[in-house]
Amino acid sequence: DAGVTQSPTHLIKTRGQQVTLRCSPKSGHDTVSWYQQALGQGPQFIFQYYEEEERQRGNFPDRFSGHQFPNYSSELNVNALLLGDSALYLCASSLSLAEFRNEQFFGPGTRLTVL
Amino acid sequence: AQSVTQLDSHVSVSEGTPVLLRCNYSSSYSPSLFWYVQHPNKGLQLLLKYTSAATLVKGINGFEAEFKKSETSFHLTKPSAHMSDAAEYFCVVSDRDSSASKIIFGSGTRLSIRP
Repeated sequence: DAGVTQSPTHLIKTRGQQVTLRCSPKSGHDTVSWYQQALGQGPQFIFQYYEEEERQRGNFPDRFSGHQFPNYSSELNVNALLLGDSALYLCASSLSLAEFRNEQFFGPGTRLTVL
Repeated sequence: AQSVTQLDSHVSVSEGTPVLLRCNYSSSYSPSLFWYVQHPNKGLQLLLKYTSAATLVKGINGFEAEFKKSETSFHLTKPSAHMSDAAEYFCVVSDRDSSASKIIFGSGTRLSIRP
């Protein structure tokens, strides 16, 4: 079992550009969550996808959007990049949307740098 | 509203001495509580979780935590620190019953181990 995988591992963009990050969940998991972790801070919840729909969302602007595919993999898209979007983006997978008591399995993250 | 406060941004202990990482939470409902560890350049790994069963929770690598509702605390302890325990630790609260339930990470505690 490969666990949660994310691509790319590192990415450099300039302000105003758009970026797409990808995540494959742990085998058997149907729920994917995305987090933003700025340097020296804890992860901040962006949103969660289940059955190809966004079911929960944190305090992030509409520039942040996502998608979940039938095979449960997911993408995070960020438009009109700002310098403040520079961070480690973490993907986590789990079983079943409703059970926040379930453990989330995290990928290694994508390090995004906006210049 | 949910919140979580990690009372120490940095804790330094000598190898072989006890570890105490403090966490206080706020939740309007019945929370689930987690401790995750993040080693440099690695993904987040679950240490232990509390989900309304036994209040004393045992995790991996000798860590344990006690849920104290009266004190709204969920402190992480280990009797004897090992050099490999040096990492960033995050306390996490989530609650299942709120319609706006989300997962909230603390700001993290960096644990350093002195030889």
